[in-house]
Amino acid sequence: GQNIDQPTEMTATEGAIVQINCTYQTSGFNGLFWYQQHAGEAPTFLSYNVLDGLEEKGRFSSFLSRSKGYSYLLLKELQMKDSASYLCALLDSNYQLIWGAGTKLIIKP
Amino acid sequence: DGGITQSPKYLFRKEGQNVTLSCEQNLNHDAMYWYRQDPGQGLRLIYYSQIVNDFQKGDIAEGYSVSREKKESFPLTVTSAQKNPTAFYLCASSIHPGQGTDTQYFGPGTRLTVL
Repeated sequence: GQNIDQPTEMTATEGAIVQINCTYQTSGFNGLFWYQQHAGEAPTFLSYNVLDGLEEKGRFSSFLSRSKGYSYLLLKELQMKDSASYLCALLDSNYQLIWGAGTKLIIKP
Repeated sequence: DGGITQSPKYLFRKEGQNVTLSCEQNLNHDAMYWYRQDPGQGLRLIYYSQIVNDFQKGDIAEGYSVSREKKESFPLTVTSAQKNPTAFYLCASSIHPGQGTDTQYFGPGTRLTVL
């Protein structure tokens, strides 16, 4: 079967760095996506990883280790507007997205 | 402006009534998707369509129906057979279904409440 785990909630301070982890188990893998979702709004695309390593995109970076079934999203120089849920999604062997429940990130001043 | 629109944003329905949620895109994307989001759970796929006049059931299709008569439109009907329809419904589209780099883009969502 397939399974994705993320922490339910995290708290961080404005200006700091936070790492949101995602672990998964799957028989087929075609990549891993991270999305940001503000409360009551649509998810918006942040990153896609299919090869091992770190992808950097401004203040946000995403890392993947396929052998460990592990990814993380790294957010630097946190801003209040980064308060949102962060969704990890696995693209399975049928090219369907399997979604984690999301991590709610709370930023404090 | 290109994008995905969903209407209405909020919808109230009495038990036993069917209701149709609208989803339109002008991105010229081939594929469209309907998801349901409940608190504390990941998005769950209801139906998807990779081409006009064709669609496939997702993980939780029971109690729902769709049509894809035009490339731009993918309406979802929530029927009275759906036992627990109160949820946030999200429509998405993508340009290259079946490819790893295919990214799904979402509409603003419709929050359905059954009274």
